[in-house]
Amino acid sequence: RKEVEQDPGPFNVPEGATVAFNCTYSNSASQSFFWYRQDCRKEPKLLMSVYSSGNEDGRFTAQLNRASQYISLLIRDSKLSDSATYLCVVNIRNDYKLSFGAGTTVTVRA
Amino acid sequence: DVKVTQSSRYLVKRTGEKVFLECVQDMDHENMFWYRQDPGLGLRLIYFSYDVKMKEKGDIPEGYSVSREKKERFSLILESASTNQTSMYLCASSSSRTDPYEQYFGPGTRLTVT
Repeated sequence: RKEVEQDPGPFNVPEGATVAFNCTYSNSASQSFFWYRQDCRKEPKLLMSVYSSGNEDGRFTAQLNRASQYISLLIRDSKLSDSATYLCVVNIRNDYKLSFGAGTTVTVRA
Repeated sequence: DVKVTQSSRYLVKRTGEKVFLECVQDMDHENMFWYRQDPGLGLRLIYFSYDVKMKEKGDIPEGYSVSREKKERFSLILESASTNQTSMYLCASSSSRTDPYEQYFGPGTRLTVT
């Protein structure tokens, strides 16, 4: 079983729409959680950390559900520039290693 | 701005060749990582290093080795390239002192082994 699993999508949404997607992680001892963003043919970059209480960064909201072992990302008022692959990332052993999901692709159309 | 550079964007090698992939970061980061990225599998950790001359195996180290002789440079070596090592290789670095979970990636090397 993969450590981090994501719906690959693609999620095709019009500009201005809200889109949300989850990822699940298999190890209940996982310590820290993140969303990275990867644009087409580019390298991944940290989008935001995910805190137990949930957190927002502008139009992006991340939630963590430890009981069900999933994290979510919600994008409000989607922009064309939000088109990317969103990688769910988990730190399992409280070291500096990260486990990456395969990514969820979001395409925002005009 | 953190900058991570990789020696080649595209590389084509023959089966059995020894292949060197170089990664250099300019932010004095302690931690460096090598991943490969394949469709549907995501990024998989090959090797990582927390300090000069130190290395640890990641999840898929078979067929690879690494070298870290200087803090800013982390090299990935394919001792005898095989076709199943055709992939996108990404190097990353992070700082233990500030945010160890924010990894900064290089642009990647797309390696094709024929």
